[in-house]
This record gives sequence, C-alpha cells and structure tokens, in this order.
Amino acid sequence: DAMVIQNPRYQVTQFGKPVTLSCSQTLNHNVMYWYQQKSSQAPKLLFHYYDKDFNNEADTPDNFQSRRPNTSFCFLDIRSPGLGDAAMYLCATSMYRGREQYFGPGTRLTVT
Amino acid sequence: GDSVTQMEGPVTLSEEAFLTINCTYTATGYPSLFWYVQYPGEGLQLLLKATKADDKGSNKGFEATYRKETTSFHLEKGSVQVSDSAVYFCALSDPGGSYIPTFGRGTSLIVHP
Repeated sequence: DAMVIQNPRYQVTQFGKPVTLSCSQTLNHNVMYWYQQKSSQAPKLLFHYYDKDFNNEADTPDNFQSRRPNTSFCFLDIRSPGLGDAAMYLCATSMYRGREQYFGPGTRLTVT
Repeated sequence: GDSVTQMEGPVTLSEEAFLTINCTYTATGYPSLFWYVQYPGEGLQLLLKATKADDKGSNKGFEATYRKETTSFHLEKGSVQVSDSAVYFCALSDPGGSYIPTFGRGTSLIVHP
C-alpha cells in the first residue's frame, strides 16, 4: 500500500543535542510538509517542499531545518532542542499544493 | 488571512446518537475544504473533502456539504459508534491562492456505549 512512513515513532533526546527525524513516502507526491503538534492543539506548519522548492513559515524557529534529498525522503533537523520542542512531529504529503494531505503516523519527541 | 473556526469540545454522545460538529471558515479565494480525523497517538487521516460550493463529501457514514453562502462545512453522522471517538479537524486550503493549509483547533468526540 502506498503510504507515508515516519521513523522513529518515538525519539528521546537530551536538551541541546541535535536530532533528526525522517519521513519517506511511496505516493510519489510532489509536496512534503512538516508539522509540529502539541497536546490538544491543531498541527502547526513548520515548512514544506514543493518538489525541491523549500518554503519556510515565517514563525518557524531557526532551530528547525529541513532537507529533501529526493522525491521520496524528507528530514527534519532540530539543531539544539529545548524543552519547548517536545511535541508530536507529523509529516504529510500531497500531490499538489492546496490538495488533500496524507499524513504519517508521527514521531513523538521527548526532550530530557 | 484564511481561518477556520470549529465548535469547542469535547462532544460527548451515546452510541447511535446523531453527530454534528460545526465548522465555519473565512477565505479570500475559493478554497477546498477537508475533514481530518486523528485517533490517539496517530497522525491525521483524511475523512472527506469538498472542492467547490454545494459539493457533498462523504465517507464511512460521515458527510459534510460545502455551503458558500454560510461559509460552513459542518460534519454530520447519523449514528455514531464507540470507534468514532477521536479528534476531528476541519481544514481548508486554496489550490489557486495561498495554498497554505489552515486547520481548525480540533473537536474531541467521545462516544459512550
């Protein structure tokens, strides 16, 4: 089945220690998104790629970076995680911008 | 900018009750509208969508109609089950405009046996 895969499902990191979350898709979609979701809140868009074109949301902290080395994979790098970065991180894809999105299961990040 | 307003939860119902979750939106263009569902500890899943005025989206007994005149996209189900307990998000994006997805704050649904 075509899908969006996120690894790992649970990640524990130490305060200030860089961490990378990964996302892959078999849908061959053009757009990949990264969201941060905190408890009982809506997902907050961090950035998205349309093909290789990177789009950063204005209020995304500089601490968050992303890479998309090819169509199938996208990575979220958190350079110096703080306690406030503990959250669920969701990857999503869509064929084109503005269309319905397909989400992965998420990575739950804990910062100790 | 675009925005989505959902009714506050939690919505608590008994099994087989009728469900309505209200959603209204503000958009400058001609957005597509979506309902997503999130089960505990999981990502969001697309439940249904509508891309133009008067379209009705439906899936798994849920339905919603795109009402341009009232800028609404209310989610309904005739008879809920315990397995429908989840958080429901109304969302919009405009393929011809800003295309940035905008989500409502989510409405938690709890269905008791």
